[in-house]
Amino acid sequence: QQQVKQSPQSLIVQKGGISIINCAYENTAFDYFPWYQQFPGKGPALLIAIRPDVSEKKEGRFTISFNKSAKQFSLHIMDSQPGDSATYFCAASKGGSNYKLTFGKGTLLTVNP
Amino acid sequence: DAGVTQSPTHLIKTRGQHVTLRCSPISGHKSVSWYQQVLGQGPQFIFQYYEKEERGRGNFPDRFSARQFPNYSSELNVNALLLGDSALYLCASSFSERPPYFGPGTRLTVL
Repeated sequence: QQQVKQSPQSLIVQKGGISIINCAYENTAFDYFPWYQQFPGKGPALLIAIRPDVSEKKEGRFTISFNKSAKQFSLHIMDSQPGDSATYFCAASKGGSNYKLTFGKGTLLTVNP
Repeated sequence: DAGVTQSPTHLIKTRGQHVTLRCSPISGHKSVSWYQQVLGQGPQFIFQYYEKEERGRGNFPDRFSARQFPNYSSELNVNALLLGDSALYLCASSFSERPPYFGPGTRLTVL
């Protein structure tokens, strides 16, 4: 079963626009929600992460919004740049086992110049 | 500082063969985990080792095994390769319970 559902599968945004990627989870035991960015030929790189005791976390142009009651969280990329073009994965883990991540299927983001 | 390193970068094997993938963690990281990333999918957790002991195992068959050495480097072994084992194998290291840092992966192709 897919414990973390991610949408959309792909996304095209114009330079300067806002990119929004959504994830939903099923397991209420999840207590850590990171987002990873992956460029072709590279491993995933941690972008930003949130715990369910806060509803929003912002780091630079990247913001995570978290809705615990709906079991949903999303990544917002403000002022999207062509260099942001990559595959983005949401993930979740539980019980302090942050090494054991359950990933979504990924979103391929293309930012046009 | 060097990140997580993996070798080889690419590997081609035939069905039924055995493969060994290697990983060196970030200096100071004692935890190593392995993930399988099939094309078009997110990584799937295979194993985690901490201080040379297996601490977690994902839903993978016994053909998959791993170990961690005294210097915290690790090997992933896959026996009796199947076509479906073709994937990018990612190694990640972490400090204590912090989130993992991933290496560039080993691309395994099974023919």
